[in-house]
Amino acid sequence: AQKVTQAQTEISVVEKEDVTLDCVYETRDTTYYLFWYKQPPSGELVFLIRRNSFDEQNEISGRYSWNFQKSTSSFNFTITASQVVDSAVYFCALSEAADGAGGTSYGKLTFGQGTILTVHP
Amino acid sequence: NAGVTQTPKFQVLKTGQSMTLQCAQDMNHEYMSWYRQDPGMGLRLIHYSVGAGITDQGEVPNGYNVSRSTTEDFPLRLLSAAPSQTSVYFCASRLQGGPYNEQFFGPGTRLTVL
Repeated sequence: AQKVTQAQTEISVVEKEDVTLDCVYETRDTTYYLFWYKQPPSGELVFLIRRNSFDEQNEISGRYSWNFQKSTSSFNFTITASQVVDSAVYFCALSEAADGAGGTSYGKLTFGQGTILTVHP
Repeated sequence: NAGVTQTPKFQVLKTGQSMTLQCAQDMNHEYMSWYRQDPGMGLRLIHYSVGAGITDQGEVPNGYNVSRSTTEDFPLRLLSAAPSQTSVYFCASRLQGGPYNEQFFGPGTRLTVL
């Protein structure tokens, strides 16, 4: 069974600090997909990034960057020069290519527990 | 496009009451799912559907029923509400083409069962 662990329950930083959110996953599949979602105080879930298991390239998008390491089963998320607007709950999620019951690619998402990030002015 | 819509936004029920949470999407997505969000537990899958007429259970299906008569709609029914079902419920949809497609989430329904 797949599992996602976000060990950091809450992180508090001061504006302009860099912050890294950790995500560790478990899966028996060789093909899988990792996602990060943001949930701001308004409550909606916003898709941030997707990465497949064959692409270990790190990605940078503005102040956001993601570090995917298959060797340690981690997909960490770094915010550079954090801002108050980054305050949110961040979820890491895993989707396997097959559901294990016949190979159909239903791709159910398994979420981590979430990390509450608070950025103080 | 309205995306994924959910009604109601808030609901208070008494133990034993039944109700239906509505979910609709206008993106012609085959795959739809229901999650519940509880503090410290992330989002957990309740039920999902890969197309009209096809549904299956997720991680926490007990106490909930679903049906999928159209591509657009995927209602979630609570048959006899219990306090343990107090939660925030999210509906999501994505293209069925592959699990690499991100899911689009509705705004959520906050349910309280007294």
